[in-house]
Amino acid sequence: RKEVEQDPGPFNVPEGATVAFNCTYSNSASQSFFWYRQDCRKEPKLLMSVYSSGNEDGRFTAQLNRASQYISLLIRDSKLSDSATYLCVVKWHTGRRALTFGSGTRLQVQP
Amino acid sequence: DADVTQTPRNRITKTGKRIMLECSQTKGHDRMYWYRQDPGLGLQLIYYSFDVKDINKGEISDGYSVSRQAQAKFSLSLESAIPNQTALYFCATSAPSGDADTQYFGPGTRLTVL
Repeated sequence: RKEVEQDPGPFNVPEGATVAFNCTYSNSASQSFFWYRQDCRKEPKLLMSVYSSGNEDGRFTAQLNRASQYISLLIRDSKLSDSATYLCVVKWHTGRRALTFGSGTRLQVQP
Repeated sequence: DADVTQTPRNRITKTGKRIMLECSQTKGHDRMYWYRQDPGLGLQLIYYSFDVKDINKGEISDGYSVSRQAQAKFSLSLESAIPNQTALYFCATSAPSGDADTQYFGPGTRLTVL
């Protein structure tokens, strides 16, 4: 089982739609969580951190459910420019001292 | 100018050749990383370094070696390249603040081993 699992998609949605991605992680010792965005053939970039109480950044909302070990990202009012791959990222605070990336969920927003 | 640069951006080589990928950063970060990305597999950590004297293996270090020449430079070597090392390679840096540990990636090196 992968340590961080995501539905690869693609999610094809019309402009203006609301779309949600989920991600599950296997290590209950995980302490920090992030969503990164990666455009085709480009480098990943941090989209937002994910906090236990949930957090929002404009049209983007991230939620964390520690009991069920999953993270979600909600995008409201989708724009064409939101088309990208969204990577779920977990940081372990024991053992390996680096980030673990999911394989990503691809979003295609259509006009 | 980009904060994290990688050279070369593209490389085609033959099986058995020694290859070095270079990464430089002007962000002043202590931590540097090398990842590879294959279609459908996401980013896999090869090696990471938390300062000049600290080198650690990641998930997939076999067949690779690294050198941290200075705070700003971290190079990745393939001693004897093989076709399944064909991938997109990313260098990244970070300067963690609390739990944040935001990583900043270079533009990537596309390596093809024939």
